[in-house]
Amino acid sequence: DTEVTQTPKHLVMGMTNKKSLKCEQHMGHRAMYWYKQKAKKPPELMFVYSYEKLSINESVPSRFSPECPNSSLLNLHLHALQPEDSALYLCASSQDFRRSVGPGNTIYFGEGSWLTVV
Amino acid sequence: ELKVEQNPLFLSMQEGKNYTIYCNYSTTSDRLYWYRQDPGKSLESLFVLLSNGAVKQEGRLMASLDTKARLSTLHITAAVHDLSATYFCAWGGNRDDKIIFGKGTRLHILP
Repeated sequence: DTEVTQTPKHLVMGMTNKKSLKCEQHMGHRAMYWYKQKAKKPPELMFVYSYEKLSINESVPSRFSPECPNSSLLNLHLHALQPEDSALYLCASSQDFRRSVGPGNTIYFGEGSWLTVV
Repeated sequence: ELKVEQNPLFLSMQEGKNYTIYCNYSTTSDRLYWYRQDPGKSLESLFVLLSNGAVKQEGRLMASLDTKARLSTLHITAAVHDLSATYFCAWGGNRDDKIIFGKGTRLHILP
């Protein structure tokens, strides 16, 4: 199973709403990522969790709050978003970089969650 | 500051032709990835390059890594229309799990 599952696939939320995006993998990967991608742009790294601890935060506004409840799950909590936050949010997982040499070293991406903030 | 630069950013080519996409990066690393993205879709892993001189081939695509030159290339041989997509290279850190993408190359292959 090389699947990263993201839910929901589509989300429309108001600027005062609170919602969450969810991501799940069962490959035993210890690094999990959130990326944001706007149309015709590359994915932008937001957060990385390594062994369930937040290891990288790319200066993301606090209206985005990541959470890693266990080694298989990654959430992104959304609150008081702005219309410019509308984008495709991608979750990914991989072996951590120390174990990245060898089989199974691909970084797997989920199908993404399309977020529209109105 | 890390820079991952791809060129060209746009490429329109005829079927049957060969071409190369270049990915330069500013900070040394032994990890370089290539992905394909179709419109409205997620990222599909193409190649993982983990050492200097690594070369991998799949069908009409071949990727290589020169860590000394901080350069990776994606070579397309005898292009076909189905290869039309956006191709991203992504740099992986040697000291942490950071993965940073280049701007992407939008490839359009004319039948």
